[in-house]
Amino acid sequence: RKEVEQDPGPFNVPEGATVAFNCTYSNSASQSFFWYRQDCRKEPKLLMSVYSSGNEDGRFTAQLNRASQYISLLIRDSKLSDSATYLCVVNVLGAQKLVFGQGTRLTINP
Amino acid sequence: GAVVSQHPSWVICKSGTSVKIECRSLDFQATTMFWYRQFPKQSLMLMATSNEGSKATYEQGVEKDKFLINHASLTLSTLTVTSAHPEDSSFYICSASGGTSGGASRTDTQYFGPGTRLTVL
Repeated sequence: RKEVEQDPGPFNVPEGATVAFNCTYSNSASQSFFWYRQDCRKEPKLLMSVYSSGNEDGRFTAQLNRASQYISLLIRDSKLSDSATYLCVVNVLGAQKLVFGQGTRLTINP
Repeated sequence: GAVVSQHPSWVICKSGTSVKIECRSLDFQATTMFWYRQFPKQSLMLMATSNEGSKATYEQGVEKDKFLINHASLTLSTLTVTSAHPEDSSFYICSASGGTSGGASRTDTQYFGPGTRLTVL
């Protein structure tokens, strides 16, 4: 089983739609959680950290369920510029390294 | 703040040659640098973790004699792909963490370089 699993998509949604991504992780010692965004042929960029209480940044909402080892990202009122691959990333307690999911590809259509 | 650069951004070489990729933290001292590899349509896979002044720790399945990592200073790490072959063609990305920049701690976040696209003919 992969340490971090995501639905690879692709997701094709119209502009203005709401889209949600899910991610599960296998290591219960995971401590920190992030969503990164990666554009084609570019490096990943931090979109937001994910906190236990859930957090929101503009149109983006992230939630964490430690009991189910599940992370989600919700994008509201999607824009064309939201088209990218979204990576679920986990950091295990005591370890420096990040573990990346395979990414979910999103295309927003006009 | 927290800018990481990589050089070169892309390289094309013949099979059998060695290629060196540089990763620099421009505005903070990176105590730890990470090297990742990403094949098309796949996610980033960690190759190795290097701490300044010590030997790199390689992930399982990564040949340390083929992928030489040097982290001699707090702002520079290099990855040398020795005797490169077509199967080594990939997108190599470094990240850095550690120290402070602009008054903020940088130890809990990895900052990624723009990546180096290697094509081996």
